[in-house]
Amino acid sequence: GEQVEQLPSILRVQEGSSASINCTYENSASNYFPWYKQEPGENPKLIIDIRSNMERKQTQGLIVLLDKKAKRFSLHITDTQPGDSAMYFCAAPGSWQLIFGSGTQLTVMP
Amino acid sequence: NSKVIQTPRYLVKGQGQKAKMRCIPEKGHPVVFWYQQNKNNEFKFLINFQNQEVLQQIDMTEKRFSAECPSNSPCSLEIQSSEAGDSALYLCASSLLGANTGQLYFGEGSKLTVL
Repeated sequence: GEQVEQLPSILRVQEGSSASINCTYENSASNYFPWYKQEPGENPKLIIDIRSNMERKQTQGLIVLLDKKAKRFSLHITDTQPGDSAMYFCAAPGSWQLIFGSGTQLTVMP
Repeated sequence: NSKVIQTPRYLVKGQGQKAKMRCIPEKGHPVVFWYQQNKNNEFKFLINFQNQEVLQQIDMTEKRFSAECPSNSPCSLEIQSSEAGDSALYLCASSLLGANTGQLYFGEGSKLTVL
């Protein structure tokens, strides 16, 4: 199986709070897990990624956690701002391609 | 700004017409992917190349699309006979190492509308 499940599909948070998005994957050979942010009318942009030799990675208000045993990885956006409002996609490698989750529409309310 | 260049940004075709999109991958990236993103934001993998060779393509692509990545020319994806369900954003991405080890960088996309 090569599915990537992403939840929640819709997430609304108050400005300044944190937002969490969770993904699970099936391919136990997967070793690279990127996260993309896509704003309306624009292309997906890579914002952070984590490789399987790490359990945690943090950069500029973004934290990614990876639990290989559970085949689960998550994105945490700390201190959310209105500019964080966008679609977020997780992805994991399939046999030849990246398989994307179904996306999370994040809205940060002022 | 994206280093993967896609043209055109928008195209409008009638059913049965050909629709061709082009992609210049980031310099030095040998792996190129094409994805279709529908109005529900779902990504569908279409085909990928390493240098000029097709690595994998889905059945739909094999039957109704033609795609190539010639050396020293842009990659291209062409729908031979457009259908209404082909209306979507077509995203090209390139990678230095491939999906399992390398980062994919997307172009701005070509938004196809089939009337």
